[in-house]
Amino acid sequence: ILNVEQSPQSLHVQEGDSTNFTCSFPSSNFYALHWYRWETAKSPEALFVMTLNGDEKKKGRISATLNTKEGYSYLYIKGSQPEDSATYLCAFRGNTPLVFGKGTRLSVIA
Amino acid sequence: NAGVMQNPRHLVRRRGQEARLRCSPMKGHSHVYWYRQLPEEGLKFMVYLQKENIIDESGMPKERFSAEFPKEGPSILRIQQVVRGDSAAYFCASSPGTGRREKLFFGSGTQLSVL
Repeated sequence: ILNVEQSPQSLHVQEGDSTNFTCSFPSSNFYALHWYRWETAKSPEALFVMTLNGDEKKKGRISATLNTKEGYSYLYIKGSQPEDSATYLCAFRGNTPLVFGKGTRLSVIA
Repeated sequence: NAGVMQNPRHLVRRRGQEARLRCSPMKGHSHVYWYRQLPEEGLKFMVYLQKENIIDESGMPKERFSAEFPKEGPSILRIQQVVRGDSAAYFCASSPGTGRREKLFFGSGTQLSVL
């Protein structure tokens, strides 16, 4: 059974704090690693798709890194804002359709 | 450009009835994926379809569940003789292709409640 693990499960930070979460995935048959942001009452939206070991992606205050050899990815948020409050999902694509982790639920307190 | 459209948003069925969930992918997208989210669980893959073909149904329960994506019209996820354990949020996603950098575009989901 293919496992995608995310930690922590939930996180509360103060506005202005920087934070990061982890996604671990199988290190074999790697094809791509996705990060999605899922706000309450909305649908998941893609943040990044990473395909190469060592990939780093950045979008505003959010960035992600990828290590396919050891099977992990980090998502970083710099200077968290209340509007960053959401569940952040990572998803692994090997030789199967996307397999999602359970997500990290971030709450940013003003 | 309209996003992925799912309907209904909420569906209530009694045990033993049939549930039909519809998904219209984004314009130009020919690949559709169905995921299910059970309470306190993540998104679980169910089935992947291209127009008129089921490509991967490895996540679909063997009985009572079926999916189609006809040449014309939306993709349909059909659950026959629903049971309480089928209560979940069902999400559809679409993509234009299966290239390495393709991302999924999700609908807002259908919340199925079985009484």
